[in-house]
Amino acid sequence: GDSVTQMEGPVTLSEEAFLTINCTYTATGYPSLFWYVQYPGEGLQLLLKATKADDKGSNKGFEATYRKETTSFHLEKGSVQVSDSAVYFCALTNTGGFKTIFGAGTRLFVKA
Amino acid sequence: SAVISQKPSRDICQRGTSLTIQCQVDSQVTMMFWYRQQPGQSLTLIATANQGSEATYESGFVIDKFPISRPNLTFSTLTVSNMSPEDSSIYLCSVEDRGRVSGSYGYTFGSGTRLTVV
Repeated sequence: GDSVTQMEGPVTLSEEAFLTINCTYTATGYPSLFWYVQYPGEGLQLLLKATKADDKGSNKGFEATYRKETTSFHLEKGSVQVSDSAVYFCALTNTGGFKTIFGAGTRLFVKA
Repeated sequence: SAVISQKPSRDICQRGTSLTIQCQVDSQVTMMFWYRQQPGQSLTLIATANQGSEATYESGFVIDKFPISRPNLTFSTLTVSNMSPEDSSIYLCSVEDRGRVSGSYGYTFGSGTRLTVV
């Protein structure tokens, strides 16, 4: 079945450091890929998405590129801020479907 | 994008009792989804709720334990019945947000209900 694997956390960075959170997926067909963010005490928010190969999703300085050849959708940000501290979830929704498969989540701590 | 109001935001309940969680959406949606997020874990889909029909439950979840109502296109409830400490989790509702993602799939989540069973 479809699955999402993302790097284990927690990830601890200093402010202005470069961030990469790895995400790979297994799916039949042509899934849409997402990153969601969960700030402390809150629900999930859609951060960015990509719906086909080579698409790049971007939002709030974060970006991720849909790489079909490596089945990956790694999240990157050039300069993190303390306010980026949260749990990040990689997810996919497969073609014609509505069920979203989530990765385990990666907790990010950013130190001032 | 859709806005979801979920309540209660948190509750502490005695084992053996039941809690009903409500989600109100500011627009009409066909499907609403209920997820459970156990401590330190990812999200697991409990069921999908369509208006006017019985909810569809995922493997490992049953209607007697998690009855769901969907009386109209903007509202749904999830009840956690006969609770035990193992039910302590965050419960979230979700809807598809087609407006924001321009025809592709993306989901908006409620702020979650943090349930502790003692």
